[in-house]
Amino acid sequence: EDQVTQSPEALRLQEGESSSLNCSYTVSGLRGLFWYRQDPGKGPEFLFTLYSAGEEKEKERLKATLTKKESFLHITAPKPEDSATYLCAVQADPWGNDYKLSFGAGTTVTVRA
Amino acid sequence: EAQVTQNPRYLITVTGKKLTVTCSQNMNHEYMSWYRQDPGLGLRQIYYSMNVEVTDKGDVPEGYKVSRKEKRNFPLILESPSPNQTSLYFCASSTTRDTYEQYFGPGTRLTVT
Repeated sequence: EDQVTQSPEALRLQEGESSSLNCSYTVSGLRGLFWYRQDPGKGPEFLFTLYSAGEEKEKERLKATLTKKESFLHITAPKPEDSATYLCAVQADPWGNDYKLSFGAGTTVTVRA
Repeated sequence: EAQVTQNPRYLITVTGKKLTVTCSQNMNHEYMSWYRQDPGLGLRQIYYSMNVEVTDKGDVPEGYKVSRKEKRNFPLILESPSPNQTSLYFCASSTTRDTYEQYFGPGTRLTVT
């Protein structure tokens, strides 16, 4: 069974204090790993897709990286508006026959001004 | 405006009383999916649909039914709700090719007493 584990569960940062979130996964064959952002009371919003080890994606203060067993979401010089829950998800089956998505429980980031 | 809508947004019901949560998207997406979100467990996929009349089980399908008679609509049916189905439910859609970049609805908070 595919498993996705995110750590830490919660992260409190001071504005400007860079940090990283971890997403470790075990799947039979990775088709893609995805990061989403979720604000309180809202549905998740897509951020990045990573397909293979060594791949990196960036968006503003966020940078996602991927290895064979885990992914990191780096937040550089965060601002209060970066406060949210960040969700990691994986899609297994490299042959594209199964479109099931497995999510981690998320990391809740709070950035204080 | 491209969006996924869900109705109702909030629902309190009693055990055993059949209910339907509607989901509609205006982006002509082939892929639609239902998730439930519970504290500490993250998002878990209930059912998904690759296109009209094509549906498949996710990780937690027990106690739920779906149908896809039209491309834009994907209702979630609870024929005999139980208290363990109290949760926050999200509908999502995407193109079949890009199933990772899912657009999520605003959520439906369901309480079963």
